[in-house]
Amino acid sequence: EAGVAQSPRYKIIEKRQSVAFWCNPISGHATLYWYQQILGQGPKLLIQFQNNGVVDDSQLPKDRFSAERLKGVDSTLKIQPAKLEDSAVYLCASSDRQGAPEAFFGQGTRLTVV
Amino acid sequence: GEDVEQSLFLSVREGDSSVINCTYTDSSSTYLYWYKQEPGAGLQLLTYIFSNMDMKQDQRLTVLLNKKDKHLSLRIADTQTGDSAIYFCAESPRDDKIIFGKGTRLHILP
Repeated sequence: EAGVAQSPRYKIIEKRQSVAFWCNPISGHATLYWYQQILGQGPKLLIQFQNNGVVDDSQLPKDRFSAERLKGVDSTLKIQPAKLEDSAVYLCASSDRQGAPEAFFGQGTRLTVV
Repeated sequence: GEDVEQSLFLSVREGDSSVINCTYTDSSSTYLYWYKQEPGAGLQLLTYIFSNMDMKQDQRLTVLLNKKDKHLSLRIADTQTGDSAIYFCAESPRDDKIIFGKGTRLHILP
């Protein structure tokens, strides 16, 4: 079974630029999560999708962050414009809601804003 | 509210047992998890426990849950150098939402 795929692995941008991250979840997984992990901290949930609907985006800074999950499969997370404090690893995860909601994580995209 | 607290560092001698503790706030959490993160890698689920259980054992791992005190612990028996990582406690209060603590960095002493 293929895991959660994320791209790019690394990205360096200047502040005020835009950036987009892509995630392909495990096939058949209805739930998709985007987490932000700042160095030295735990992952913070940004947005959770169930199929192509948003379940929770209460911690998503909506003035600059947006996410979509068209057709309930792949997802993109965008930041526009980026700030220095957005430097973090952005983790995508998916789960299939069968029994315990185990979330399977991708390797993440490390974003550096300079 | 939803919050998960855990100590930031733990040093253990190789061969000893490691015990990582965690407290959580949402008493409605159905599942509680332990994830492991090695340098440069994503998070890997180690084990989870259903909220109506007190204990779960899986090879070298033992999870203890005190639901009254909202306290979760992970014991790793016979700690090895390969166990060196950051361990995250997480709760799932509803709708498959998963909330993580800040992580405990486990350092293995020779």
